Amino acid sequence: RKEVEQDPGPFNVPEGATVAFNCTYSNSASQSFFWYRQDCRKEPKLLMSVYSSGNEDGRFTAQLNRASQYISLLIRDSKLSDSATYLCVVTQNTGGFKTIFGAGTRLFVKA
Amino acid sequence: DADVTQTPRNRITKTGKRIMLECSQTKGHDRMYWYRQDPGLGLQLIYYSFDVKDINKGEISDGYSVSRQAQAKFSLSLESAIPNQTALYFCATSDLSAGRDTQYFGPGTRLTVL
Repeated sequence: RKEVEQDPGPFNVPEGATVAFNCTYSNSASQSFFWYRQDCRKEPKLLMSVYSSGNEDGRFTAQLNRASQYISLLIRDSKLSDSATYLCVVTQNTGGFKTIFGAGTRLFVKA
Repeated sequence: DADVTQTPRNRITKTGKRIMLECSQTKGHDRMYWYRQDPGLGLQLIYYSFDVKDINKGEISDGYSVSRQAQAKFSLSLESAIPNQTALYFCATSDLSAGRDTQYFGPGTRLTVL
């Protein structure tokens, strides 16, 4: 089982749609959680950190469920420019520091 | 100017050649990392360094070595390149501001080993 798992997609949605991605992680001692965005052939860029209480940044909402060990990202009112791969990232510091990237979920937003 | 830079951006080389990829940062971060990315896979950590005197192996360090020449510089070497090292390589930096280890990536180096 992978330490961080994501549905690879692709998700194909029309502009204006709401889309949600989930990510599960296997180590209950994981400490920090993030969503990164990666455009084709570009470097990953931080989209948002994920806090236990949930957090929102404009059209983006992130949730963390420690009991079930999953993280979610909700995108409302999708724009064409949201088309990218979304990476779930988890950090651990038990038995040594570790940052684990999920393989990513691809999103295509169409006009 | 970019905060994290990588050179070269693209490189084609032959099996058995020694290759060095360089990374520089102006963010003042102590922590630096090297990752590789293959199509359909997540980023895999090769090596990381938490300060100039600290070097640690990641999950896929075999066939690679690193050097942390200064706080701002972290280079990755392939002593004898092989075709399955063809990949996109990213350097990243981080600090622990706000108690979270947020990583910032360079633009990547696309390496092809023939």
